[in-house]
Formats: sequence, structure tokens, C-alpha cells
Amino acid sequence: GAGVSQSPRYKVAKRGQDVALRCDPISGHVSLFWYQQALGQGPEFLTYFQNEAQLDKSGLPSDRFFAERPEGSVSTLKIQRTQQEDSAVYLCASSPDLKRDNEQFFGPGTRLTVL
Amino acid sequence: AQTVTQSQPEMSVQEAETVTLSCTYDTSENNYYLFWYKQPPSRQMILVIRQEAYKQQNATENRFSVNFQKAAKSFSLKISDSQLGDTAMYFCAFMKRVLIFGTGTRLQVFP
Repeated sequence: GAGVSQSPRYKVAKRGQDVALRCDPISGHVSLFWYQQALGQGPEFLTYFQNEAQLDKSGLPSDRFFAERPEGSVSTLKIQRTQQEDSAVYLCASSPDLKRDNEQFFGPGTRLTVL
Repeated sequence: AQTVTQSQPEMSVQEAETVTLSCTYDTSENNYYLFWYKQPPSRQMILVIRQEAYKQQNATENRFSVNFQKAAKSFSLKISDSQLGDTAMYFCAFMKRVLIFGTGTRLQVFP
């Protein structure tokens, strides 16, 4: 079956622009996670959804970052007024169900470059 | 707070040889999961192997095995019979609910 997909794969934004990054999880997966991976670093947790509920957003670096999953499937990560330090790869992962929350399946990521 | 440390930024190994990647972590939790992920240049994070902390037996997946030392909070990955396709970044990760990653080890397998 299809894996986790993310779009766009690459995004170049001018400083100050708003961007929206999309994640399509594996069909039927309950949990969805967003991670930020800076160049040369490991991914860092941003936020987590269980169905449409955002249960943890403690990793969002500022109030310019906003994530939603209104129907419990597709999720969008929005960054307002982008800054150069927002340049990173944004990874999305989904997980099948609550009991198997230890298995996360990753998408290919969106590489965001802010000029 | 949990932390994961990978002290080897880069490693290299000759094809068919064995290599071990190190990982230590810090947590006050008793039940958790540990993972090794592989990230090739395509950026796709691929699960290599998983260990449940309450299981004493070390996990193995074909050429990949771990040495899990819970008391020492150590979780190393051994790759046997290294192949050119093993060249990638390798990340150790701790999980209670969300994944906490180390900074990665870049592994180069050369002919």
C-alpha cells in the first residue's frame, strides 16, 4: 500500500512569506507526528495528533508555527512570516493505532529553504 | 527530560566487514522503546531495528543486531557483512510517546 506522502518535496520561500506543508498519512493511521530536521542534525519533535485532536504541540518553536488535522487524516503544517532559521527538512510520520503507537512510518520530508 | 547521544559523527567500514555504532541515552522512565533508523540521501527515514526496554533479549533483524544494556543506558547497533547499500546516516532514537533522536552517525561503506 501507499506510504506517507508529503508535498511539496522542496519549497523555497522569501523571508516573511507564509508557507503550508502537507502530509498524507497512511490510510487509517490514527496518530500523526511532525518533526523538524535541521542540516546535520537529528529530527526534533514539533507536534502530535491523535485523529483530529492535537495532543501535544510543545515542540513548536514559536507562535508562527501552526498545525492542523481537521478531519483526522491529512495534516498541514503552516509557518507564518518565515525566517531563515526555519530552513530545515520537515518530516511527517504516522502510526497505526494507540496500541501500536511505537511504530512510526515516515514520509520523505519537505525541504524548506528560506532566503 | 530524555536525551540521546551518538558520539561518533562518522564511521567507515569495508564491504563485508562488521561495524558497531554507539548510542547512549538518559531517562528516568522504566518502560520505553529504542530504535535505530537509517536515512539515506533520499531523506526517507527507514526503521532498521526496534528494542522494547522490558525485553532483556537483544533484538536482531537479519544482518542488524543490537547490544542493549539497560542499566548502562546503552544501545549499540552492529551491522554484519556490511553492504554498499548500508551507506547512510544512522539515527538512534528513544521513544516513550514521541521519538527523541540523536545527532546521527554517518556510515560510509567502501568496496
